Amino acid sequence: NAGVTQTPKFQVLKTGQSMTLQCAQDMNHEYMSWYRQDPGMGLRLIHYSVGAGITDQGEVPNGYNVSRSTTEDFPLRLLSAAPSQTSVYFCASSRERTGGGYTFGSGTRLTVV
Amino acid sequence: EDKVVQSPLSLVVHEGDTVTLNCSYEVTNFRSLLWYKQEKKAPTFLFMLTSSGIEKKSGRLSSILDKKELFSILNITATQTGDSAVYLCAGSGNAGGTSYGKLTFGQGTILTVHP
Repeated sequence: NAGVTQTPKFQVLKTGQSMTLQCAQDMNHEYMSWYRQDPGMGLRLIHYSVGAGITDQGEVPNGYNVSRSTTEDFPLRLLSAAPSQTSVYFCASSRERTGGGYTFGSGTRLTVV
Repeated sequence: EDKVVQSPLSLVVHEGDTVTLNCSYEVTNFRSLLWYKQEKKAPTFLFMLTSSGIEKKSGRLSSILDKKELFSILNITATQTGDSAVYLCAGSGNAGGTSYGKLTFGQGTILTVHP
C-alpha cells in the first residue's frame, strides 16, 4: 500500500545510546519532515527536506541529524539519547509546496530511560 | 516566531450536538491553514484553506478562513461518537529562502462525543 512507513513502532533506549528512526515513502513526494509530539504541545518540526540532498532545521533540531540521499528515504538519527527526547515521532511527506495534504506515518513511540 | 493557538483545548459534547473549534495564527509569509484529525495514531488530513471567506465542506465537517483576522474555525454538525479525536490546526508559511511550506501546529483540541 502506498504511504509513509516508519520503523520501529516502539523503542526503548538508555541515556547516551544512539539510534536511527527510519522513514520511507513510495509516493514520489519531494517534501518530507520529522515531527515530535508531546502532550499538550501539538507537533513540533525537527528537520525537513525539500528534495534529495537538501535538508534544513525546524523548530527543535538539537540532538537530531537527518540526511536525504534518495527521494524515498528520510532517516532521523538521535546522536546521544536523552530523557527529554522521550516522545512520539512522526514522519510526513507531501507533494505540495504549501505543505498541504501531508501524509503522516504511523509514528514511533520512543522512551529514553 | 510562528504561532498557532487553538481553543478550546478540550470539549465534551453529546451525539447530535454541533461544535465549533477555533484556530488563530501568526505565520510569516502565510500560505495556507490546514486541519487534521488524530485518533490514536497518525494525523489524517481534513482541509487546506488558502482563500479568505471560502468555506470548505466534507459531509458534516466544514471550515472557513479569515485572513484579515488571522483565524479559522472548524464546524462539526450532528456529532457522532466516531468524531471523538484530537483536532489539529496548522499554519503553513514560507520558511525564509527555501520556499517550503513549513507547518506550525497548534496544541490541538480534544473532542469527546458521548452517546
